[in-house]
Amino acid sequence: NAGVMQNPRHLVRRRGQEARLRCSPMKGHSHVYWYRQLPEEGLKFMVYLQKENIIDESGMPKERFSAEFPKEGPSILRIQQVVRGDSAAYFCASSRGTGLTNSPLHFGNGTRLTVT
Amino acid sequence: DAKTTQPPSMDCAEGRAANLPCNHSTISGNEYVYWYRQIHSQGPQYIIHGLKNNETNEMASLIITEDRKSSTLILPHATLRDTAVYYCIVGGGQGAQKLVFGQGTRLTINP
Repeated sequence: NAGVMQNPRHLVRRRGQEARLRCSPMKGHSHVYWYRQLPEEGLKFMVYLQKENIIDESGMPKERFSAEFPKEGPSILRIQQVVRGDSAAYFCASSRGTGLTNSPLHFGNGTRLTVT
Repeated sequence: DAKTTQPPSMDCAEGRAANLPCNHSTISGNEYVYWYRQIHSQGPQYIIHGLKNNETNEMASLIITEDRKSSTLILPHATLRDTAVYYCIVGGGQGAQKLVFGQGTRLTINP
């Protein structure tokens, strides 16, 4: 019974490159959330997606960041033209989507992005 | 979502009960209290949640005051592996779609 799978676990990019972070939700889960955690800080909500739809992207930076959750395949968080300030741990969570009270979020172990 | 207040850090001896407090005086009627924890370098782990009744599962107990303005997470027999940052989150009522994390309490279990 695999949990939320994120890859890669560690990602190093030079400034200006693109970073692609992948998240496969738990089996039976159709809702995905992305959170970012800067060093020594708490988790900040970025975006909430259902299959093929972005439901809430209120925490996403306006530029360079995008997210998708296609009908088939994992959810992707994409960061274009990375800068050093993007260095952080990015966590994905999934739920069945029947409401958070019935289906708590399950988190992956994150992707640690380092921008050099 | 209502704001929560937690002590930044706590210590507890191994084998003792760890009692982690959380204040949420602005909680509204349909908001739940959730607890998650994050062990170093791992993703957050769900512990327990409740609305107004006390709750217990295999990990912990959640005690919510009658006025719902505060709650306590109890780890009955803390082990070294319970050392983590514990987040108390209020929100996520029916129809709610995300959880907002605060700074949490860094709990250290000492041998």
